[in-house]
Parts: sequence; C-alpha cells; structure tokens
Amino acid sequence: EIVLTQSPGTLSLSPGERATLSCRASQSVNRNYLAWYQQKPGQAPRLLIHGASSRATGIPDRFSGSGSGTDFTLAISRLEPGDFAMYYCQQYGTSPITFGQGTRLDIK
Amino acid sequence: DVQLEESGGGLAQPGGSLRLSCAASGFSFSTNDMHWVRQVAGKGLEWVSGIGTAYDTYYPASVEGRFTISRDNAKSSLYLQMNNLRAGDTGVYYCARGSPLVRGVISHMDVWGQGTTVTVSS
Repeated sequence: EIVLTQSPGTLSLSPGERATLSCRASQSVNRNYLAWYQQKPGQAPRLLIHGASSRATGIPDRFSGSGSGTDFTLAISRLEPGDFAMYYCQQYGTSPITFGQGTRLDIK
Repeated sequence: DVQLEESGGGLAQPGGSLRLSCAASGFSFSTNDMHWVRQVAGKGLEWVSGIGTAYDTYYPASVEGRFTISRDNAKSSLYLQMNNLRAGDTGVYYCARGSPLVRGVISHMDVWGQGTTVTVSS
C-alpha cells in the first residue's frame, strides 16, 4: 500500500501568516489522485482539495493544493482563526485508500 | 441538505460483533459509491471499506474477512457488519460518500457523517 508521510507534525503560526503543509507518498500517486481534508476537534473531516489542486465546493481560494507524483503541498494564505485544525492528505489512486498521519496547525 | 447519519455504535467484547448503519438523505443514494472510514482516538484516519453502485465491495487487509459492507438502496442506507472484533477496532466510524467526480469506488470522500463510536473491550 502507499504510505503517506505528512510534515511537519505540528505547525505553529499566527493569524495572517501563510501555512505550507507537505505530504510525501512512498510511491507515485496515480493520476495525482491526492486529496486534503481539514478536521476540527469533535467534527468529521471536511474535503478541501481533490485531484491535488482542485478546490472542493465552497472552499475559499486561500486554500491551494499543488504537486504531482510523490510530493504534494497544501498552502493556506492569510490564516484565519478557523483554519487552526488538523489536516490530512489522502491518496485514492491505488487501492487501498490511505491517509497521512496528519499535520496539526496551531495558533502561535 | 445532503446528510449522512450513523448509528449502531457501542460496546462490544473482543471476538464479538456489531452492525453499524448509516442513513443518507438529500441526494440520490443509489447512484453514489459509499465508504466507511474510522479514526482511533487521538489518531489519524483509516479507510475501512467501500461499496460501489453495482454492489462491488473493497476492503483493506486489516479488516478483510471480518468486516462486510452492504447497502439497501430502497432505504438509502449503508451498513457495516463487524465480526471478530479486536481492541484495535476501537474508534469513531464515519460513513462517507465517494465523490461522483471520480470513476470507480476508490475515490476521495465529499460528504461525511458525524460518526458513531465503537469500543471493543472486555
């Protein structure tokens, strides 16, 4: 199975700053089928990005995804208080579907 | 509103069984692939199973042979039968819709329920 490794484990930033989260795959992700989710405590995950760079419905353009092959990035510009949460990447190019272990975005 | 609502979680003994249900509303259930994803307390997400519109099913090795996913389109409901439960199966189980943007069951998930908690302990 494809193992996804997210870095950093925790990212501490201030509102207004830019966040850059990384997701590295153990092998190439077919068709760049890579998604990003946001999860807040006590809530279900919310889809942010699919196909490595396509924003899901209703997601503001402060969120952007990029990358291909084995290296992917989620960037969040102008951090707002509601952006501080856990972020997970997921690959769905090959079965089994796998998730990264997550990056925690904390308020500095 | 598009909604998914899970039920059926609870306490089970090691080696025991539980059946989870997920009621869907607000979209055409029969034309969408569906999934179960779990989250161990304080940890990450793990895909547990998926089912296509043709009733084709998919599992990771960790649950294959123990878990069975099924659907009842007439009731707009998804199920997960969990047998031979282990302590490592403890967690929150989410029902999720497979994105219609992807051809095939192996997809990202665009709608999630709030989850139901399963605890496996003696």
